[in-house]
Amino acid sequence: GAGVSQTPSNKVTEKGKYVELRCDPISGHTALYWYRQSLGQGPEFLIYFQGTGAADDSGLPNDRFFAVRPEGSVSTLKIQRTERGDSAVYLCASSLQSISGANVLTFGAGSRLTVL
Amino acid sequence: AQTVTQSQPEMSVQEAETVTLSCTYDTSESDYYLFWYKQPPSRQMILVIRQEAYKQQNATENRFSVNFQKAAKSFSLKISDSQLGDAAMYFCAYSAPGAGSYQLTFGKGTKLSVIP
Repeated sequence: GAGVSQTPSNKVTEKGKYVELRCDPISGHTALYWYRQSLGQGPEFLIYFQGTGAADDSGLPNDRFFAVRPEGSVSTLKIQRTERGDSAVYLCASSLQSISGANVLTFGAGSRLTVL
Repeated sequence: AQTVTQSQPEMSVQEAETVTLSCTYDTSESDYYLFWYKQPPSRQMILVIRQEAYKQQNATENRFSVNFQKAAKSFSLKISDSQLGDAAMYFCAYSAPGAGSYQLTFGKGTKLSVIP
């Protein structure tokens, strides 16, 4: 696609529920990133994919968070047993193969998750 | 760990005037990359300008320019001839070369208002 597409745009759920957030990167971009932006903060790194594999998941806060990218394109961020503290905007970005810090990331508009 | 500090939570500028947003960072690396991102209410992060630390020349992109002071670890953004469309959150970000270069470390942001 022309840009990074994220769905849903907004998601309201109840504490303890399971949610999935989807990211469709720019066609041809092999690198995909998830960031989390809490209210009043800058985005924080969660996970990075190069192709189908999670090259670095060190930013995932705990084992309730998991992300997949089975075919090297679309990625899904999965959150189990949601807590109110998970409320945030989840941003996805993609880029050409990450070989240096000069990569230009293209971000999506994010998915705003609200846990009641 | 690298940190990025934006000391101005909010700034305002008259339309057509010039404004400077401040950013300082902490790193032990000698080579790295610095970025300014703009986030309008649509939530999509948009790259404004990028600077490579080994380049002494300050980056410029049309009305946007930076003042990069490596010794002081300072990276300020100057917006000339401010326009109403410049109103947004602005985030300063850092990335290191090599392994981990895909991880952007963001500051907390500066909210810029443009007064007509």
